[in-house]
Amino acid sequence: AQSVTQLGSHVSVSEGALVLLRCNYSSSVPPYLFWYVQYPNQGLQLLLKYTTGATLVKGINGFEAEFKKSETSFHLTKPSAHMSDAAEYFCAVSERYSSASKIIFGSGTRLSIRP
Amino acid sequence: DTGVSQDPRHKITKRGQNVTFRCDPISEHNRLYWYRQTLGQGPEFLTYFQNEAQLEKSRLLSDRFSAERPKGSFSTLEIQRTEQGDSAMYLCASSLGLDTIAKNIQYFGAGTRLSVL
Repeated sequence: AQSVTQLGSHVSVSEGALVLLRCNYSSSVPPYLFWYVQYPNQGLQLLLKYTTGATLVKGINGFEAEFKKSETSFHLTKPSAHMSDAAEYFCAVSERYSSASKIIFGSGTRLSIRP
Repeated sequence: DTGVSQDPRHKITKRGQNVTFRCDPISEHNRLYWYRQTLGQGPEFLTYFQNEAQLEKSRLLSDRFSAERPKGSFSTLEIQRTEQGDSAMYLCASSLGLDTIAKNIQYFGAGTRLSVL
């Protein structure tokens, strides 16, 4: 069975500092990997996804993530945090060969930005 | 195209009552998903439809839950005899339903927050 572990339920960084949100997955075969962001009272928005090919994936709002098979990790980074980045971030996986393409989410990391 | 819309946004009900939520997907999307999100957790898959056919149901979907998508467009999720443990955010998502998941991006609505008193 697939699972996702997000390390740290809450991360706080200063504006302009590096953002690093950690995600590790468990899967018998390399899955598809996603990062979603959820702002208060809003639905989830896809930040980026890894399916195949280049292991460094660039997403919206300056975020990127690197798929490391040997470490079963898919950490999310952004070089310089902005106040508008404050939100809940979810790492997620989906089975590579499943027609359902249902998504399994981690428990989330709340990102706070200090002025 | 206004994205995935859900109605109502908030629902407060008393234990034992029935509730129904509606989801309108993006118009050309033929797949529709329901997820449940409890406080401090990520969303959990409940069920999904390919057009009007319900193809998979999670074990989380007890007998008190039923979902329909009668014409392959909007969907409803009904909870009968609500319990306090049903309090959660219920999220709907839709996708094109392409064969390759790489292109089968799910777009989420803002959710319906249910509070059972």
